[in-house]
Amino acid sequence: DTAVSQTPKYLVTQMGNDKSIKCEQNLGHDTMYWYKQDSKKFLKIMFSYNNKELIINETVPNRFSPKSPDKAHLNLHINSLELGDSAVYFCASSPTSASSYEQYFGPGTRLTVT
Amino acid sequence: AQSVTQLDSHVSVSEGTPVLLRCNYSSSYSPSLFWYVQHPNKGLQLLLKYTSAATLVKGINGFEAEFKKSETSFHLTKPSAHMSDAAEYFCVVSVSGGYQKVTFGTGTKLQVIP
Repeated sequence: DTAVSQTPKYLVTQMGNDKSIKCEQNLGHDTMYWYKQDSKKFLKIMFSYNNKELIINETVPNRFSPKSPDKAHLNLHINSLELGDSAVYFCASSPTSASSYEQYFGPGTRLTVT
Repeated sequence: AQSVTQLDSHVSVSEGTPVLLRCNYSSSYSPSLFWYVQHPNKGLQLLLKYTSAATLVKGINGFEAEFKKSETSFHLTKPSAHMSDAAEYFCVVSVSGGYQKVTFGTGTKLQVIP
């Protein structure tokens, strides 16, 4: 009965590789997000999709490409990985994109680039 | 524009004593405000939220927060700390300007001393 799930939980890879992280929510929510949490625990929003449409695209290198095949899924593909991409990536969802709704977070994917 | 400031990066309390985690915000629009908790190696979980209803908001695990517009504050409190409260706490401001704009504070690490 997991609400927001992410795979994989851990990802170790070398510089220059391409990798994907998958996210699924079974809450029936319309809006999904990707966040990056750095080593100092600072959380920064990267992308948001509402009903499969991109609505937030913060200043993120274009090596990062989100894809939403349906409103229950939001995947993150990263090309040409760099050391600075090492972080924990969180997926989240909310019922709508309205500001009054809280977000439900997945358990995170710890990406380590060597 | 909006911002959120968590005034303390670390707070240490003894078990059974009160907890106060401070948060100040700025926003051009009427904000929604949230507190989330993150236990080690876990995702974020909603503690409570304010969305222009009652200014004193009660959340899970005995936490509450008071929205004070005149002070632009939304401090989190708990009368008596428990060991299980040791975690990272994030204050979040959210506004709607066409779509939801979410800004996280830098986090406060709460240590509970037995």
